[in-house]
Amino acid sequence: DIVMTQSPDSLAVSLGERATINCRSSQTVLYSSNNKNYLAWYQQKPGQPPKLLIYWASTRGSGVPDRFSGSGSGTDFTLTISSLQAEDVAVYFCQQYYTASVTFGPGTKVDIK
Amino acid sequence: QVQLVESGGGVVQPGRSRRLSCTDSGFTFSSYAVHWVRQAPGKGLEWVAVISNDGSKKSYADSVKGRFTISRDNSKNTLYLQMNSLTPADTAVYYCARDLNPRDLATFLNWGAWFDPWGQGTLVIVSS
Repeated sequence: DIVMTQSPDSLAVSLGERATINCRSSQTVLYSSNNKNYLAWYQQKPGQPPKLLIYWASTRGSGVPDRFSGSGSGTDFTLTISSLQAEDVAVYFCQQYYTASVTFGPGTKVDIK
Repeated sequence: QVQLVESGGGVVQPGRSRRLSCTDSGFTFSSYAVHWVRQAPGKGLEWVAVISNDGSKKSYADSVKGRFTISRDNSKNTLYLQMNSLTPADTAVYYCARDLNPRDLATFLNWGAWFDPWGQGTLVIVSS
């Protein structure tokens, strides 16, 4: 299985400031034939199911605010929240779907400083 | 409004069985593959199983292979997860989630998918 790691484990950011979360896969999730990265990001708030934020590494899901953006390619990816809002306090997971046995990162907890 | 609703969770003794259900409302259930994903208390997300839209293709995580069976009844807009030989390690919130990666049946198991929406989850506790 492809192993996903994330850094940092947690971070605290002031309201209105930028938050950056990193995700790394143990092997590439870039499929050369279509030049797509098989990587998604989710947000999970306490007591709620995960919510899709990003797929294909950089495409925002329906209704996702544009302060959320994804970047990266191959094995290294980043989720950026450009201006942190109070409602963004949550745990964020990356996920690869390059293989049918999808795997998730361990999560990064984002709090307000 | 797309909505998935899981049911069937509860406390079950080790070695026993349990069947979970996931019922959809708001979208054409038979058009989409669906997955089960679980989350142990306070832990991360673990993919469990997937079934294609017509039920002909299935895949399982190694941790549940041979013990869990995924199935669906498109006439009832319902997904199932039959869980046998349960152990405490299976204690988790079980979510169903819609597969949004369009691919044909010939290559269905070549790739995974991103998930949206997810149900609210149903908690299974395996304990004596």
